Amino acid sequence: GAVVSQHPSRVICKSGTSVKIECRSLDFQATTMFWYRQFPKQSLMLMATSNEGSKATYEQGVEKDKFLINHASLTLSTLTVTSAHPEDSSFYICSGAGGGNSPLHFGNGTRLTVT
Amino acid sequence: QKEVEQDPGPLSVPEGAIVSLNCTYSNSAFQYFMWYRQYSRKGPELLMYTYSSGNKEDGRFTAQVDKSSKYISLFIRDSQPSDSATYLCAMSATTGGGNKLTFGTGTQLKVEL
Repeated sequence: GAVVSQHPSRVICKSGTSVKIECRSLDFQATTMFWYRQFPKQSLMLMATSNEGSKATYEQGVEKDKFLINHASLTLSTLTVTSAHPEDSSFYICSGAGGGNSPLHFGNGTRLTVT
Repeated sequence: QKEVEQDPGPLSVPEGAIVSLNCTYSNSAFQYFMWYRQYSRKGPELLMYTYSSGNKEDGRFTAQVDKSSKYISLFIRDSQPSDSATYLCAMSATTGGGNKLTFGTGTQLKVEL
């Protein structure tokens, strides 16, 4: 089945620094990738839709200047959390699909802790 | 009212039991329905993917969709402790590839020995 690889799995950073999370589709080309965040015992909340070669589309309430998304190729999308603050601590998950009728497959998530 | 409603549980069952997980939704445009399993601190894993109404079976898992009632179910037969996880329903109005999913809140399942 389709495999989405996400790195790092866990990161701890100091307040004010930036963190980059990578999401790769290993065995398919993903024209579109999605970025979610998930708080403990809550469902996934869509942050943004990333389209290869174009600007990402952000959901209402998500700061595009804070959460920078780059989708430079059909197999790689990155999310950079800039000037991270403790309230940005969360579980970030990416997903992608191979097009057509194929469903979304998810990465294993990145647990971000900002101290 | 949320677009997708799902009982968060927790649901605790003995090993070997039949588990029934359910979601209701309000958007009649939803046509594609998915069930994901999420273990703690992991990303969701696709279990079942169905289109429109009907049943789909895969091993111990059966997914049912009743569009007239806007109700979907996931049945797990002969449940095992390894099935203990959070189960998320998800749906979309158009085909999966480049389209956003709407998720339920997830049901936490615990299968006890």
